Amino acid sequence: DGGITQSPKYLFRKEGQNVTLSCEQNLNHDAMYWYRQDPGQGLRLIYYSQIVNDFQKGDIAEGYSVSREKKESFPLTVTSAQKNPTAFYLCASSMRQGGDSEAFFGQGTRLTVV
Amino acid sequence: DQQVKQNSPSLSVQEGRISILNCDYTNSMFDYFLWYKKYPAEGPTFLISISSIKDKNEDGRFTVFLNKSAKHLSLHIVPSQPGDSAVYFCAASGDYGGSQGNLIFGKGTKLSVKP
Repeated sequence: DGGITQSPKYLFRKEGQNVTLSCEQNLNHDAMYWYRQDPGQGLRLIYYSQIVNDFQKGDIAEGYSVSREKKESFPLTVTSAQKNPTAFYLCASSMRQGGDSEAFFGQGTRLTVV
Repeated sequence: DQQVKQNSPSLSVQEGRISILNCDYTNSMFDYFLWYKKYPAEGPTFLISISSIKDKNEDGRFTVFLNKSAKHLSLHIVPSQPGDSAVYFCAASGDYGGSQGNLIFGKGTKLSVKP
């Protein structure tokens, strides 16, 4: 079945360490996104990519990095520069960016810094 | 400044009754609106959408109404069922500049449907 997969579901990181969250989709979607969800907040856009080898900063990109070497994959690295990394991270994809193209979300990764 | 606002953080409704979830937006350049449903520890799933050229879209028990002059949309669920209990996010997109075309989400409304 087609879908979008995030791994791992739960992740613990020590302060000062970088950690990479995986996101894979087999929907043949061009656009992919990373969002962060905090309690009482909406989904805030971290990075997005419209096409392979291209990505753009979203609203809260500081302390994060991404790559888009393959259409199917859009990993997110949470670096030690991210001041408050504990959150629920959601990856999404859509056929094309914005407009009338609905986004399909993964199951999320809950990152906890210990 | 929030461009998409869901002013009610929570809503409680009796099973069988109507649930009405509200969403306001500030940017007149938004031209497409979507509702997503989210269960705890899961990703949101798409529920229903509406283009700005319409004022109503219906899909089974779910209807979305759009009032462009008031910059307001609402999601009606009739009849409400306990399985509808979840957080509902309103989202908007359009040629508004910035991260052009990307979805802007509200903070969500937690719906509880009581048996």
